[in-house]
Amino acid sequence: NAGVTQTPKFQVLKTGQSMTLQCAQDMNHNSMYWYRQDPGMGLRLIYYSASEGTTDKGEVPNGYNVSRLNKREFSLRLESAAPSQTSVYFCASSEVRHEQYFGPGTRLTVT
Amino acid sequence: KQEVTQIPAALSVPEGENLVLNCSFTDSAIYNLQWFRQDPGKGLTSLLLIQSSQREQTSGRLNASLDKSSGRSTLYIAASQPGDSATYLCAVPTGANSKLTFGKGITLSVRP
Repeated sequence: NAGVTQTPKFQVLKTGQSMTLQCAQDMNHNSMYWYRQDPGMGLRLIYYSASEGTTDKGEVPNGYNVSRLNKREFSLRLESAAPSQTSVYFCASSEVRHEQYFGPGTRLTVT
Repeated sequence: KQEVTQIPAALSVPEGENLVLNCSFTDSAIYNLQWFRQDPGKGLTSLLLIQSSQREQTSGRLNASLDKSSGRSTLYIAASQPGDSATYLCAVPTGANSKLTFGKGITLSVRP
């Protein structure tokens, strides 16, 4: 039982490059989330998926897209990376009204 | 808009001390509150989830309380140890889909 896994762990991009962050959970949760964590700003929700086949914007969605590939997997895509997207990205999953479980994070630097 | 505040931002205590970490929130219409621990460079580990119908939840040396009416939660750590050094975050759900609003965390240092 791995919980929530994220790949890659680290990534360096140049401005304008694209990449996809992958997230998978093995707890059979319906809901999945993407957050970013920045110094002084705390954790903020980017996008979430309440159930397979649905996605919705969170607090800071600009510059990102998501795909809920199936019940297990929820990916986050940066189409044209900007230095402001340098951050630590966390994926989480839960059942509604239950504990959220977080992955280990992806540390992204955009130069 | 829900706002979650954790004060102070940092705390340093000697080993063995009992301590209380505070969390306040502006919208009391919550159905639970979750406390997390984050070690440097790591992800978030869930410590306790306290439902709105509960007043307290305990796990080992940790005890969380929730007072919805006053918009406050506390995390009590008994007999602190250097291994408790970490950042502690509280979070409350916003809306119907359990989207969490986080406090900025309290960085705890327990001195041997």
